[in-house]
Amino acid sequence: SYVLTQPPSVSVAPGETATITCGANNIRSKGVHWYQQRPGQAPVLVINYDSDRPSGIPERFSGANSGNTATLTISRVDAGDEADYYCQVWDSRSDHFVFGPGTKVTVL
Amino acid sequence: EVQLAESGGGLVQPGASLRLSCAASGFTFDDYGMHWVRQAPGKGLEWVSYISSSSSAIYYADSVKGRFTISRDDASNSLLLQMKSLRAEDTAVYFCARQREYSNSRYGMDVWGQGTTVTVSS
Repeated sequence: SYVLTQPPSVSVAPGETATITCGANNIRSKGVHWYQQRPGQAPVLVINYDSDRPSGIPERFSGANSGNTATLTISRVDAGDEADYYCQVWDSRSDHFVFGPGTKVTVL
Repeated sequence: EVQLAESGGGLVQPGASLRLSCAASGFTFDDYGMHWVRQAPGKGLEWVSYISSSSSAIYYADSVKGRFTISRDDASNSLLLQMKSLRAEDTAVYFCARQREYSNSRYGMDVWGQGTTVTVSS
């Protein structure tokens, strides 16, 4: 089945930029979605289909997808961005929806 | 307000069955595909199952195929998950989530419930 890789953790100082990667073979051929999950809460869709921001998501969140890596970028990070972030794709070969293992973002 | 609310979780013994429900409100339920996603304690998200708006497409994760059955009742705006032969490794918070239909890759899961906890233990 299709496997997504993410770094387990990313640390960033307030006001700086956090970059979270999601790697897989030829991931650029798939639409990648990104979710934020704060502790004890349900996930929230923050980026749809590589780079679209759903209504209500700050412009500080952006996404890109190229080659074998999709990227979620959070600009001007603040304490409220501390959460786990998951990428997700649809794998048509297996008829499975697939989540990455998640990346914990820590704001220093 | 668009909402999803799961119910039906609980503590069951290995080998038992359980049925989860997800009540949808605030949107046209039969316009959306629906998912079950679970999260074991301290672990990441694991997709469990999907059903399209017309129920014509149904998919399962390998870990639950043959044991879990997803269905929907559009008359009552409900999503169901019938779970049987439960195992300790099925212990998790189970979330329902909606997905706009176009193609399975075009849209993510844009509304989630708060989850219901299933614990499988003797």
